[in-house]
Amino acid sequence: DAKTTQPPSMDCAEGRAANLPCNHSTISGNEYVYWYRQIHSQGPQYIIHGLKNNETNEMASLIITEDRKSSTLILPHATLRDTAVYYCIVRVSSGTYKYIFGTGTRLKVLA
Amino acid sequence: DTAVSQTPKYLVTQMGNDKSIKCEQNLGHDTMYWYKQDSKKFLKIMFSYNNKELIINETVPNRFSPKSPDKAHLNLHINSLELGDSAVYFCASSSGPLYGYTFGSGTRLTVV
Repeated sequence: DAKTTQPPSMDCAEGRAANLPCNHSTISGNEYVYWYRQIHSQGPQYIIHGLKNNETNEMASLIITEDRKSSTLILPHATLRDTAVYYCIVRVSSGTYKYIFGTGTRLKVLA
Repeated sequence: DTAVSQTPKYLVTQMGNDKSIKCEQNLGHDTMYWYKQDSKKFLKIMFSYNNKELIINETVPNRFSPKSPDKAHLNLHINSLELGDSAVYFCASSSGPLYGYTFGSGTRLTVV
């Protein structure tokens, strides 16, 4: 599975959009980009995933560059409850059923 | 109504003991996993079962033995516990490789 690189930490003002970047320059054609977050010591929570098109759901939007070497998770109106560690993972669409988690980005939403 | 439930939530035990952690999912998923999160917060996969069959075993010491009596349950038994086994253990399930995982709330194991 491709390796991902994320900034270790970011701050965002409450009510503003939080844009979390992820680099995955070695991604291959059949690898999806997944985002999870972990709030404090809870279990990781699935947010969104995509292959090459931009995706949006009730939690967030995922923007994938045309060359697929990077992506951005957007939380449109960050709240204090969005403070968490956000993990970007790339994984093939079939084969072994596992994620490899990196170190993630610690997002702190400020009041 | 918890989708993936783990028991116990906390487990404190002495070195050398044997302990089990249970996991159950009511989502009808075919695949279940065990992940370990150490003190540095790295999440590492340990095992994966698909329809009761072991499909991933990530060089975990053989003191750790997963057991899946049916596809809704994946238990983790640990023999001869060591200090280094102290961590948070997360169970997860998914319905397939394209779908997101649902994680349990974790079991914090402390070996003293």
